[in-house]
Amino acid sequence: KNEVEQSPQNLTAQEGEFITINCSYSVGISALHWLQQHPGGGIVSLFMLSSGKKKHGRLIATINIQEKHSSLHITASHPRDSAVYICAVTGTASKLTFGTGTRLQVTL
Amino acid sequence: EPEVTQTPSHQVTQMGQEVILRCVPISNHLYFYWYRQILGQKVEFLVSFYNNEISEKSEIFDDQFSVERPDGSNFTLKIRSTKLEDSAMYFCASSRRQASTNEKLFFGSGTQLSVL
Repeated sequence: KNEVEQSPQNLTAQEGEFITINCSYSVGISALHWLQQHPGGGIVSLFMLSSGKKKHGRLIATINIQEKHSSLHITASHPRDSAVYICAVTGTASKLTFGTGTRLQVTL
Repeated sequence: EPEVTQTPSHQVTQMGQEVILRCVPISNHLYFYWYRQILGQKVEFLVSFYNNEISEKSEIFDDQFSVERPDGSNFTLKIRSTKLEDSAMYFCASSRRQASTNEKLFFGSGTQLSVL
């Protein structure tokens, strides 16, 4: 069973700050997903990666397979980035195993 | 962008009643999933469905739960006799290929189930 841990659990940042959210997992995976959950509850997939680094706008996701660790970075953060960011992993099966999420609040 | 749609957005039911949560996955997707999130807790996997049968289920998905794809578009989750602890947000998701093949999942906006 894969254990997925995220840190920090809560994060408050000022607009414009560079943000990093970390995710570690215990068992080898085939892919890691970064997801965003807004206060209304809906979940949006941000990234899916199995190696290296991906960038989309102000968001960057990296993964180190050997260390079983991934990071999500947000550059020039903005209040609209406020949400819960969730790391989830998948192995050989079809299911995702989710982390507890990181609640991000970006203030003006 | 295509969407996964879920209905209803909120469902209130009495303990012991049957509920059916409905989902319309993205039309060319072949894999379908139900997840749930109890308030304040992690999202948990319930079941995956492919080729008209369950491909994987969690220990949560006991005999009280069932899934069905009654036609070419809908994917439903039925809870036969609801319990208080079934109160949660239920998310439907779909993908073109299996999640383990580096395939992006698309989630619906969820159905908030409240069992009284």
